This record gives sequence, structure tokens and C-alpha cells, in this order.
Amino acid sequence: GEDVEQSLFLSVREGDSSVINCTYTDSSSTYLYWYKQEPGAGLQLLTYIFSNMDMKQDQRLTVLLNKKDKHLSLRIADTQTGDSAIYFCAERDNFGNEKLTFGTGTRLTIIP
Amino acid sequence: DSGVTQTPKHLITATGQRVTLRCSPRSGDLSVYWYQQSLDQGLQFLIQYYNGEERAKGNILERFSAQQFPDLHSELNLSSLELGDSALYFCASSEEQSDTQYFGPGTRLTVL
Repeated sequence: GEDVEQSLFLSVREGDSSVINCTYTDSSSTYLYWYKQEPGAGLQLLTYIFSNMDMKQDQRLTVLLNKKDKHLSLRIADTQTGDSAIYFCAERDNFGNEKLTFGTGTRLTIIP
Repeated sequence: DSGVTQTPKHLITATGQRVTLRCSPRSGDLSVYWYQQSLDQGLQFLIQYYNGEERAKGNILERFSAQQFPDLHSELNLSSLELGDSALYFCASSEEQSDTQYFGPGTRLTVL
């Protein structure tokens, strides 16, 4: 079955770049997503990438996909205190299921 | 604001009871998904409905059921509640054949 893994914690100084990593096992993944969850809030879709792409950039966010290694990363440039949250990567497979399989989430803490 | 609404926001009940969680998808979205977020299991897919019909099933207990009504809103029914059912329950919606799911703010269920 599908498995998605992330490290649990990341601390970054304000103004630096944050890089959150994710690995997945399902080679048939079609879309990979990044969601953000702030304390007490729901899941906010940040960005997604189709599996035939290597990179996607959206303002301060850059997603890199290494399909050979099944590795996905999210880079947040110029990290701000408002970026403090839990970041989830998720994958969707290619078997007609539209369900998402989520990683454990990475808690990003910003150091002033 | 994703456009997906969920009620109630919080629910506190006792073991053995039954509750109903409600979700209204974004305007025009035909698919509704239910997910459970708990400390020990993380974010897990429960069930998906598309235009009133069950489309996919995940790790949903037999004590749980769902349905999608003609106006496309959905309800998740949880019965014979146990302490371990305490969790955040999210609803998400997507357009037909869409590649993105938009999440509601969640319902926090506490079983005492």
C-alpha cells in the first residue's frame, strides 16, 4: 500500500529558507500535494505538482519532485512567523481512487 | 476560506452515543470526502461520495456510515462511540475529475 513519510519537526530562523522533505512509496502517484495546518484550523492547500513535472514555483514556495527517488520537497523562501504550522505532504494514486494518502506532518517552528 | 463548511465545530458526547457531522461542499463540487485526524493514526481517508453514490472506502469502521444527499451535502454518522473515536473529522470536496481537494475547517469530536 501507499506510505508517505516526513520528519516530525523543523526549526528555522526568521528570514531563512525552510525545506520540508517527504518520501513516498507509491510509484503510480499522479499528483503530490502540500497542505498547511495552523493551530486549531483546517487544512489549507498550498500547492501541488503533477508527477511528470520536476519543479513548480509559486511566489515564495518551490516544490521539487525527484520521481526516481520518490522524494518531494517544499521550500519556503524568506520564512516568516506566519509560516509556523504543520505541513503535510499527500499523494494521490493512479488507480481511479481520488483519496489522498497523507504523511505524518512536519511541524515548522520559526526562531525569531 | 475554502468554501467547504462543516457543522458543528465542536462536539462533546459520551461513550455509546451517536452523532451526526454535516458537510456542505463548495458550490458545484460533486465529490465529498471524509477524513479522520487523530494523534495516533494521523490523517486517514474514511469514505468518498460522488453525486450521491459511494465511490471509495478507506479505513472506515462499521459503526460509521455516511451519505450524500441530492443537494450534495453530506453527513457522517458515528454510532456506539468509543473514547478512541475522539478526533478531528474533516470533509473535503472537489470538482468532477479535479486534481485538488479543498478541506473544511473540521469538526472536533470529544468522546468522554
